[in-house]
Amino acid sequence: SQQGEEDPQALSIQEGENATMNCSYKTSINNLQWYRQNSGRGLVHLILIRSNEREKHSGRLRVTLDTSKKSSSLLITASRAADTASYFCATDAWGGADGLTFGKGTHLIIQP
Amino acid sequence: ETGVTQTPRHLVMGMTNKKSLKCEQHLGHNAMYWYKQSAKKPLELMFVYSLEERVENNSVPSRFSPECPNSSHLFLHLHTLQPEDSALYLCASSQAASGDYEQYFGPGTRLTVT
Repeated sequence: SQQGEEDPQALSIQEGENATMNCSYKTSINNLQWYRQNSGRGLVHLILIRSNEREKHSGRLRVTLDTSKKSSSLLITASRAADTASYFCATDAWGGADGLTFGKGTHLIIQP
Repeated sequence: ETGVTQTPRHLVMGMTNKKSLKCEQHLGHNAMYWYKQSAKKPLELMFVYSLEERVENNSVPSRFSPECPNSSHLFLHLHTLQPEDSALYLCASSQAASGDYEQYFGPGTRLTVT
């Protein structure tokens, strides 16, 4: 069953601006992951945040997790044209052993 | 780039054909996955293998038949497919078959069924 739901579905910003994407989910989780996919290619793992963490950073990426609201956000600072891609959140169900459930993704376009 | 390779990258097949997709991972992982990605739909998990044993089958039609001969190789055998099976098929691997681990994806096979 679908777990993560990203919004917005599409986002277009100017290069250098910050981009924020949100993800909501329904059931309790162990962790939440964010992935990036360039057009028609495989997904690339960006960051994993565990349920007992509230914020995590990796380079220009900042992820927050609010388990009380069942939501997460991905912030990309100082965006670059190369950040143009689709971004997906993925969750595992608590105690689940069947891998990840992905949302539909946010398509981010960085205008040069 | 990711240590997971897939062949072929593109495949066009008729509904009566039989073909196979191949995935290989060079990361020493114990779990491998097949996903289907159709336009405007979430990534759909098809099969999960852990230590060469299938642990998940999300009600996938029998015209898709997976095979995992060892922990490094995964196949998806296709026969009598339908046009709606046209999609990007992605293979992934992870250290174990658990959502606690990040997954490494291959570049995918773009399948067109005519």
